[in-house]
Amino acid sequence: NAGVTQTPKFRILKIGQSMTLQCAQDMNHNYMYWYRQDPGMGLKLIYYSVGAGITDKGEVPNGYNVSRSTTEDFPLRLELAAPSQTSVYFCASSYGGTDLSSGNTIYFGEGSWLTVV
Amino acid sequence: AQRVTQPEKLLSVFKGAPVELKCNYSYSGSPELFWYVQYSRQRLQLLLRHISRESIKGFTADLNKGETSFHLKKPFAQEEDSAMYYCAPNTGFQKLVFGTGTRLLVSP
Repeated sequence: NAGVTQTPKFRILKIGQSMTLQCAQDMNHNYMYWYRQDPGMGLKLIYYSVGAGITDKGEVPNGYNVSRSTTEDFPLRLELAAPSQTSVYFCASSYGGTDLSSGNTIYFGEGSWLTVV
Repeated sequence: AQRVTQPEKLLSVFKGAPVELKCNYSYSGSPELFWYVQYSRQRLQLLLRHISRESIKGFTADLNKGETSFHLKKPFAQEEDSAMYYCAPNTGFQKLVFGTGTRLLVSP
């Protein structure tokens, strides 16, 4: 299994440009998440999804959009990039549910470093 | 709503000193809590979960329902323990929000 795969790893955007961060998982996980991590700060939840066709806002959704057309993929779209969106973006997935025996570990991607200039 | 709080943003200790990273939770029901770690330039990874009552890399964490805490402890810190540590609840909660994280810095 590849786990959680994110692309691209690095990207520089100009103010006002748009782009999509790709995320794919091959573990048949139900739940997927997008977080951002600003320098020296903790993780903040942008959007999450509990299954194909279902998405919901996290703590900091403004300026972003997501879709979940398949179980495997959860792309994050930045519209009209702003310098405040300079950050490291992490995609994650988990089995979800309340079955404690499954462990419910969250698996993270390696991160996507985005700079908006 | 479920919430975890990590009151310390930065914890700086010397090598060999004891370490305690604090995590408090504030939700009802049967909590299941995890500690995740992020070493420099690496992805976040699971460190330990309370249900397994394990010790990983010398770290332990006990769920204290009376104090609603899940502090992470290690008796003798090592330089390689320097990292960002996050407390997180069971992913049975759909809107999974991590604690704000504590940066541990172990100096020689």
